[in-house]
Amino acid sequence: KQEVTQIPAALSVPEGENLVLNCSFTDSAIYNLQWFRQDPGKGLTSLLLIQSSQREQTSGRLNASLDKSSGRSTLYIAASQPGDSATYLCAVRPIEYKLSFGAGTTVTVRA
Amino acid sequence: EAGVTQFPSHSVIEKGQTVTLRCDPISGHDNLYWYRRVMGKEIKFLLHFVKESKQDESGMPNNRFLAERTGGTYSTLKVQPAELEDSGVYFCASSQDDGTSTFSSYNEQFFGPGTRLTVL
Repeated sequence: KQEVTQIPAALSVPEGENLVLNCSFTDSAIYNLQWFRQDPGKGLTSLLLIQSSQREQTSGRLNASLDKSSGRSTLYIAASQPGDSATYLCAVRPIEYKLSFGAGTTVTVRA
Repeated sequence: EAGVTQFPSHSVIEKGQTVTLRCDPISGHDNLYWYRRVMGKEIKFLLHFVKESKQDESGMPNNRFLAERTGGTYSTLKVQPAELEDSGVYFCASSQDDGTSTFSSYNEQFFGPGTRLTVL
């Protein structure tokens, strides 16, 4: 059974600092890994998807890395802004389509 | 292009009543998924449709939950009779993914805003 862990559970940083969010999973037989953002009371917004054959994926200020063999992914957000305040979730997908989610990291960027 | 939509956004019902949640996926997406988050827990998979067929319903908690996707378009999730522990946020997602492509955008699951269900 896939277990997904996100550490830390919460993070508070001053504006401009880089953010590093960690995700670990127990079963390395994944098809892909997806990072999401959730704002309070809202749905999930897909940020990045990394295929199992990829090492990293970039979109603007966001960069996600994947080390499948060690069961880890890291989401980097450069030069954080108050608008980056949200909960960030990672989810892994096996060959079947169902996603297994972590509990999320709640980020607060202080102006 | 419209995203995944869900209706209603909130529902408050009494224990023992019936509730039906609706999801409209992104047009052209054959895959439709239901997930839920109950209080204090992670988001959990419920089931997966490919067009109108149930591909995987391993996450459905019990037979009080019934999902349908008639015609392979929108889907409904009915809870009958509702229990207190069914309270939570129910998310729907869709994707194009047919298992043959490794393009990221093809495999992404796009989520709706969720339906918050409260059972009193």
